[in-house]
Amino acid sequence: GAVVSQHPSRVICKSGTSVKIECRSLDFQATTMFWYRQFPKQSLMLMATSNEGSKATYEQGVEKDKFLINHASLTLSTLTVTSAHPEDSSFYICSARTGFDEQYFGPGTRLTVT
Amino acid sequence: AQTVTQSQPEMSVQEAETVTLSCTYDTSESNYYLFWYKQPPSRQMILVIRQEAYKQQNATENRFSVNFQKAAKSFSLKISDSQLGDTAMYFCAFKMGRGSEKLVFGKGTKLTVNP
Repeated sequence: GAVVSQHPSRVICKSGTSVKIECRSLDFQATTMFWYRQFPKQSLMLMATSNEGSKATYEQGVEKDKFLINHASLTLSTLTVTSAHPEDSSFYICSARTGFDEQYFGPGTRLTVT
Repeated sequence: AQTVTQSQPEMSVQEAETVTLSCTYDTSESNYYLFWYKQPPSRQMILVIRQEAYKQQNATENRFSVNFQKAAKSFSLKISDSQLGDTAMYFCAFKMGRGSEKLVFGKGTKLTVNP
């Protein structure tokens, strides 16, 4: 089946620094990738949708200057959390779409900002 | 806007028994897709089952089946012969079919299978 990886799986960074999370589709080309945020014991909240070679589309309320998304190729999308603060601590999940309607999810990245 | 409601925050079931998780949704669209995802403690989202709205037949995948009631906008998940490995969060999700890519998730139901 289609496999999506994320790196790193866990990251701890200091307040004010930036951190980059990678999302890769390992065995398929993903024209569209999605970034979600999940708080403890809550559902997934879509942050943005990215298409290869074009600017990401952000959901209402998501700061595009804080959460930079780059979909550089058909197998790689990156999420950079800039000037991270403790309130950015969360679980970030990416997914990739192949075909018409199925999304495959990565294993997630736990970000802790100290 | 489309909404997905899961009215059962938590449920439990004995091993080998059957459990049904509820999901209702609201949409004015006629062409859409519905999904159940499982998120075990590892946090990896796993697709359990999917249903195309234009199909009248309920989807089944081994021990998992759905009861899709389009008129009632209901999409429940039945897990038969529950196993300990079924313990997880279960999310119901909706996606429009007209080229839209966005999944709308419910708040989830935490299912615990007891030995």
